[in-house]
Amino acid sequence: KQEVTQIPAALSVPEGENLVLNCSFTDSAIYNLQWFRQDPGKGLTSLLLIQSSQREQTSGRLNASLDKSSGRSTLYIAASQPGDSATYLCAGTGNTPLVFGKGTRLSVIA
Amino acid sequence: KAGVTQTPRYLIKTRGQQVTLSCSPISGHRSVSWYQQTPGQGLQFLFEYFSETQRNKGNFPGRFSGRQFSNSRSEMNVSTLELGDSALYLCASSSDHFTDTQYFGPGTRLTVL
Repeated sequence: KQEVTQIPAALSVPEGENLVLNCSFTDSAIYNLQWFRQDPGKGLTSLLLIQSSQREQTSGRLNASLDKSSGRSTLYIAASQPGDSATYLCAGTGNTPLVFGKGTRLSVIA
Repeated sequence: KAGVTQTPRYLIKTRGQQVTLSCSPISGHRSVSWYQQTPGQGLQFLFEYFSETQRNKGNFPGRFSGRQFSNSRSEMNVSTLELGDSALYLCASSSDHFTDTQYFGPGTRLTVL
């Protein structure tokens, strides 16, 4: 059974810093991994999807990597801005639909 | 292209009642999944529908059910509501399979009193 863990649960950084969010999963038979952003009381916004055959994906200031052998994915955010403040969730798909981590709550302080 | 829409956005019910939530996927998407989000358990998968058939089911009691119509719109129903059913219910659509990018709706906030 796939389990997804995100560390840290919360993170506070000053504006402009580069930061890394971590996601680990137990089942290396993962098919793909998706990163989402959730603002308070809102739905999820898809940020990046990494297929199992890929090692990373980039979109603007975001870069996500996937290492199936170690069961880890990271989301790198460059030059953080207050508007990046949100909860970031990773989710893996294998033989079953998305299994989510509990998320990392990010606060970027101006 | 319009995004995933969910109605209603907010609901207040009392224990023992039943509730029906609706989800309209992105046009052309055939896979619709439902998730429950609570502070304690996080996001948990309820079920997935594809071409009017339930293709996958999570570990929830039979009080939770769903269906999908020929236009891919989906509904989920919760019968005999319990206090613990209070949650944000999220619907997601993808083109053909849950391994494709999932696009989420804004959710329905259900409060059970």
